[in-house]
Amino acid sequence: KQEVTQIPAALSVPEGENLVLNCSFTDSAIYNLQWFRQDPGKGLTSLLLIQSSQREQTSGRLNASLDKSSGRSTLYIAASQPGDSATYLCAVRRSSGAGSYQLTFGKGTKLSVIP
Amino acid sequence: SAVISQKPSRDICQRGTSLTIQCQVDSQVTMMFWYRQQPGQSLTLIATANQGSEATYESGFVIDKFPISRPNLTFSTLTVSNMSPEDSSIYLCSVPQGNYGYTFGSGTRLTVV
Repeated sequence: KQEVTQIPAALSVPEGENLVLNCSFTDSAIYNLQWFRQDPGKGLTSLLLIQSSQREQTSGRLNASLDKSSGRSTLYIAASQPGDSATYLCAVRRSSGAGSYQLTFGKGTKLSVIP
Repeated sequence: SAVISQKPSRDICQRGTSLTIQCQVDSQVTMMFWYRQQPGQSLTLIATANQGSEATYESGFVIDKFPISRPNLTFSTLTVSNMSPEDSSIYLCSVPQGNYGYTFGSGTRLTVV
């Protein structure tokens, strides 16, 4: 059974800092990995999607990397802003077999960027 | 990517009552997914809703408690029945997006009192 762990559970940084959020998964047989942002009490906004054959994806100040063999992904946020404050979730999709469309989520990292 | 309109955004309900959550997608999709996010927990898949067939429920979720309708390729509802405080959660619908990722609705924050 796939398990996804996100460390740290919470992170507080001053505005302007660069930061890294970590995601690890136990089963390397994944189809892709997706990073989401969730504001309090709200739905999920997709940030970056990395296919299993890719090493990284970039969007603006965000960069996500994937090391499938070691079961790890990182989300790098450059020059953090107060508007980046949210919970960041990673989710992996199984590569094949029954339930391959399912996502397995981590519990998220709650980020606070202090002005 | 598809855009999902989910309603209501939040509700406070009395125990023993039912609440129906709606998701409308701006394009036709074969599969729609319903998730639950309990306080402090990760998202858990409740069921997969396919148009024209009964929903497929995950272990621990049953149709009597979470009936789902999927009348066409752009719409689905999830009902939370006979609610108890333990049902207080955020409920989200999701559809596949381009490149095999997923798009989520804005969520329904349910509080049962």
